[in-house]
Amino acid sequence: GENVEQHPSTLSVQEGDSAVIKCTYSDSASNYFPWYKQELGKRPQLIIDIRSNVGEKKDQRIAVTLNKTAKHFSLHITETQPEDSAVYFCAARGFGNEKLTFGTGTRLTIIP
Amino acid sequence: SAVISQKPSRDICQRGTSLTIQCQVDSQVTMMFWYRQQPGQSLTLIATANQGSEATYESGFVIDKFPISRPNLTFSTLTVSNMSPEDSSIYLCSADSPNTGELFFGEGSRLTVL
Repeated sequence: GENVEQHPSTLSVQEGDSAVIKCTYSDSASNYFPWYKQELGKRPQLIIDIRSNVGEKKDQRIAVTLNKTAKHFSLHITETQPEDSAVYFCAARGFGNEKLTFGTGTRLTIIP
Repeated sequence: SAVISQKPSRDICQRGTSLTIQCQVDSQVTMMFWYRQQPGQSLTLIATANQGSEATYESGFVIDKFPISRPNLTFSTLTVSNMSPEDSSIYLCSADSPNTGELFFGEGSRLTVL
């Protein structure tokens, strides 16, 4: 089955700086890669996703890049703000497979 | 986007008892899933709730411990049976958007087993 690894487990950045979280996946057939943000005590919420036919996708301060050859994808947050503090999870889903496999999570702390 | 309601939102249970969590989606969805999230951990898939047939369980989860019902395209239940303190966790219902494939989550049910 699919295995998703996520690094780092914790990340602290100064407000205004950029944050990068990286994930690798094992199943070369995976074709959908979402990123979820989970604030304390809240449900995970999708912030951006990318499909295997695209190398990069951007939404305001958030971007995701995908390298299919290396089987890794990354989340980039620019101009970080205190409200970006949360736990972020990457995930992967294979073609013809309906279930998502999640990474282990990254606790991002933005230092004012 | 789908709106998913779960209840109870939290409960404190005695060892050996069972608790059923209900999940209601505001629109018909094909796929519904149940996840477990232990404190400070990631999301682990328990099973896929299949409408009209038995749920599909992931490795390490069995039907006797986590029976699941899916009577229609908008509703599912997860029962945590014969609970022990190790079952203390957040249980999350989720569903796929039929149009985008995006996975939406309920608010979660936080269970504490004493």
